[in-house]
Amino acid sequence: NAGVTQTPKFQVLKTGQSMTLQCAQDMNHEYMSWYRQDPGMGLRLIHYSVGAGITDQGEVPNGYNVSRSTTEDFPLRLLSAAPSQTSVYFCASSYLLAEPGTGELFFGEGSRLTVL
Amino acid sequence: SQQGEEDPQALSIQEGENATMNCSYKTSINNLQWYRQNSGRGLVHLILIRSNEREKHSGRLRVTLDTSKKSSSLLITASRAADTASYFCATDATGTYKYIFGTGTRLKVLA
Repeated sequence: NAGVTQTPKFQVLKTGQSMTLQCAQDMNHEYMSWYRQDPGMGLRLIHYSVGAGITDQGEVPNGYNVSRSTTEDFPLRLLSAAPSQTSVYFCASSYLLAEPGTGELFFGEGSRLTVL
Repeated sequence: SQQGEEDPQALSIQEGENATMNCSYKTSINNLQWYRQNSGRGLVHLILIRSNEREKHSGRLRVTLDTSKKSSSLLITASRAADTASYFCATDATGTYKYIFGTGTRLKVLA
């Protein structure tokens, strides 16, 4: 029962470096998404996907890229890291139900990123 | 900007008391969900309430939805120390599977 797996759990980057946060789920969920969580800001949606080959922007997409080549994986790429991207990142997935907003989101345990 | 704003931001109560937290949202919705986050962990789904429902129960949880006021409340009855967590509401206002979360309420239950 792996659920949603995020790697790495912790990462320290220098400004300008690039990296990829990995997210994998084994529940055959069509929907996957990435959030960042900052103190006092709650969770903010970065990008989401409703199926393989389909991605869309969330509330705060700038500085992040995503792709969805398989149902299981949804990596988040930081092309040139900035200190403002220091945050905790969460991946979430759910079944894509006919009624939007009713699918239960399953979350990973988070990836803590520090950009120096 | 975020769709949901929880109130209060933080709440501290004694074990056995009831805890009420509120979520205000900006645009019309069809559904609203509540999630719980233990410190340093991922979020866990608690309950879903649809726009045609006014109240829903699940164990010690009671959720209400007032679409005219664009607000929802989560009541936890007979709270326990283990209920200490942050609680978030989430909506998909645009109907595009774009789940937007509120800012959360931090609940501390004192034993």
